[in-house]
Amino acid sequence: AQSVTQLDSQVPVFEEAPVELRCNYSSSVSVYLFWYVQYPNQGLQLLLKYLSGSTLVKGINGFEAEFNKSQTSFHLRKPSVHISDTAEYFCAVSRMDSSYKLIFGSGTRLLVRP
Amino acid sequence: DAMVIQNPRYQVTQFGKPVTLSCSQTLNHNVMYWYQQKSSQAPKLLFHYYDKDFNNEADTPDNFQSRRPNTSFCFLDIRSPGLGDAAMYLCATSMSRTYNEQFFGPGTRLTVL
Repeated sequence: AQSVTQLDSQVPVFEEAPVELRCNYSSSVSVYLFWYVQYPNQGLQLLLKYLSGSTLVKGINGFEAEFNKSQTSFHLRKPSVHISDTAEYFCAVSRMDSSYKLIFGSGTRLLVRP
Repeated sequence: DAMVIQNPRYQVTQFGKPVTLSCSQTLNHNVMYWYQQKSSQAPKLLFHYYDKDFNNEADTPDNFQSRRPNTSFCFLDIRSPGLGDAAMYLCATSMSRTYNEQFFGPGTRLTVL
């Protein structure tokens, strides 16, 4: 079975500071990896995904993530955050052989302060 | 704009009173999903339709049913809502089961009194 761990339930950061949201996964098979963002009372929006190829993935809104197979991690980073980045961020995995099923982590709330 | 629409955005029902949540999509995607997201938790897949083929997750309670009368619409029926069913219900679509980007609607927040 697959599982996703987001160790930080909340990350407070000042505006224009860099941020890293951590994600580790466990799987006995190869997986695809995703980061989704959820603004208050909204659905989820895909930030970026890793399917194959380059381990550094760039997404929308200036976010990027790096796939590290040896550490089974897929951490999300942004060099300079804005107030508008305040939201819940979910890391997710899906098996390559049944990629429709997303397994989500418990989420990290990014709180950007002025 | 192509999108996933959920109605209503907020639904209040009484304990044990059947309720139906609606999802429609203009993306013409083959797959439609229903997720349950309880407060401060990750979304959890309840079931999905691949075209007309219904696929239930093993741990989805029997109290939850779904209908997909056509490509554009999918409904979530909760036959006898309990207090524990209060949650955000998210509908999502994808082009196929192997195309892994899912597009989410804004969700319906269900309150059970």
